[in-house]
Amino acid sequence: AQSVTQPDIHITVSEGASLELRCNYSYGATPYLFWYVQSPGQGLQLLLKYFSGDTLVQGIKGFEAEFKRSQSSFNLRKPSVHWSDAAEYFCAVVLISGTYKYIFGTGTRLKVLA
Amino acid sequence: EAGVTQFPSHSVIEKGQTVTLRCDPISGHDNLYWYRRVMGKEIKFLLHFVKESKQDESGMPNNRFLAERTGGTYSTLKVQPAELEDSGVYFCASSRSLSTDTQYFGPGTRLTVL
Repeated sequence: AQSVTQPDIHITVSEGASLELRCNYSYGATPYLFWYVQSPGQGLQLLLKYFSGDTLVQGIKGFEAEFKRSQSSFNLRKPSVHWSDAAEYFCAVVLISGTYKYIFGTGTRLKVLA
Repeated sequence: EAGVTQFPSHSVIEKGQTVTLRCDPISGHDNLYWYRRVMGKEIKFLLHFVKESKQDESGMPNNRFLAERTGGTYSTLKVQPAELEDSGVYFCASSRSLSTDTQYFGPGTRLTVL
């Protein structure tokens, strides 16, 4: 069955430090992958997505993610974290079927220390 | 362009009562999705509309949940009667076409059943 795993429930980093959020997926075909972020009181906002092509994807707010088929991973990175990045981050894969519904991971909550 | 809106933002009800959640998708988006996140768990798919037709209800927990999308515009999700395990955050999302188009999410409705 298709699934998405985000192994880290909570991550704390200092402002200015680099960040990597892990995401592993299980999917039988070529995956279409997303990272969303949810700030307090807000909806889920799309950071970036991977459909095909270049395996290094650039997104908004300085985020990037790298698709590694051999590792079934799609990790999210940012070279220097800002306090405003504190939020919850969700990795998702879309099922290429009749409904194109998303399968989400459990989320990673990021805390940024000043 | 207005985003996906959901009403109410919070709802606290007692077990056995009825609650109706509303979602207004982005104008022109034929696809409307409902998802739910129970505390500490992943965001899970509930159902999918294309215009006013239900395409996939496979994620609906049981027959206490009823979703409608009259006229293919806004959608409602009614829970009757509510149980304790229905507590969680209910997200609505919409997309323009049935493909790998990005789904745009609303801020969610936090439902607490006491």
